[in-house]
Amino acid sequence: NAGVTQTPKFQVLKTGQSMTLQCAQDMNHEYMSWYRQDPGMGLRLIHYSVGAGITDQGEVPNGYNVSRSTTEDFPLRLLSAAPSQTSVYFCASSAEGEQYFGPGTRLTVT
Amino acid sequence: DAKTTQPTSMDCAEGRAANLPCNHSTISGNEYVYWYRQIHSQGPQYIIHGLKNNETNEMASLIITEDRKSSTLILPHATLRDTAVYYCIVSRTTGANSKLTFGKGITLSVRP
Repeated sequence: NAGVTQTPKFQVLKTGQSMTLQCAQDMNHEYMSWYRQDPGMGLRLIHYSVGAGITDQGEVPNGYNVSRSTTEDFPLRLLSAAPSQTSVYFCASSAEGEQYFGPGTRLTVT
Repeated sequence: DAKTTQPTSMDCAEGRAANLPCNHSTISGNEYVYWYRQIHSQGPQYIIHGLKNNETNEMASLIITEDRKSSTLILPHATLRDTAVYYCIVSRTTGANSKLTFGKGITLSVRP
């Protein structure tokens, strides 16, 4: 049981490039979400999904797309990276009463 | 969801109890109190949550006042590994649809 896994751990992009942050969970959780954390700040919700085929926006969705084709996977796409998207990204999946977080992806956009 | 207020930081001696306060004076009757912690930029870790009654698990105890306007997370015997940022969060939902709003949390430093 690996829990929530995220790849890559580190990534450097140039402004305008695109990429996908991967997130997978093996706990059969219906609810998954993406957060970003800027230095010295708490986490902010980007997008979330309550099940395969269903996604919705969180607090800071602009510049990010998501899809949920399977229960296990919830990728986050940056279509045209901007320096303001430099952050640490955490994926989470949820069971009754608690959320399980992945180790994070540290993204730098230059 | 109601907002929470936490001190910026606190410290305690190793082996002693750490009592972390949280104010949530605008909490509604159906809102839960959650506590998470984040150790050195790792992913947040769930600690405990409660609605009205005090709760205890292997990690900590959660004491909620009778009027539910504040709560205290208690780590009974703090160790150096408990040094982390602790987040107190109030959420209307629990379980699979809980959307958490993280503030800046309280930084707990456990000293030898």
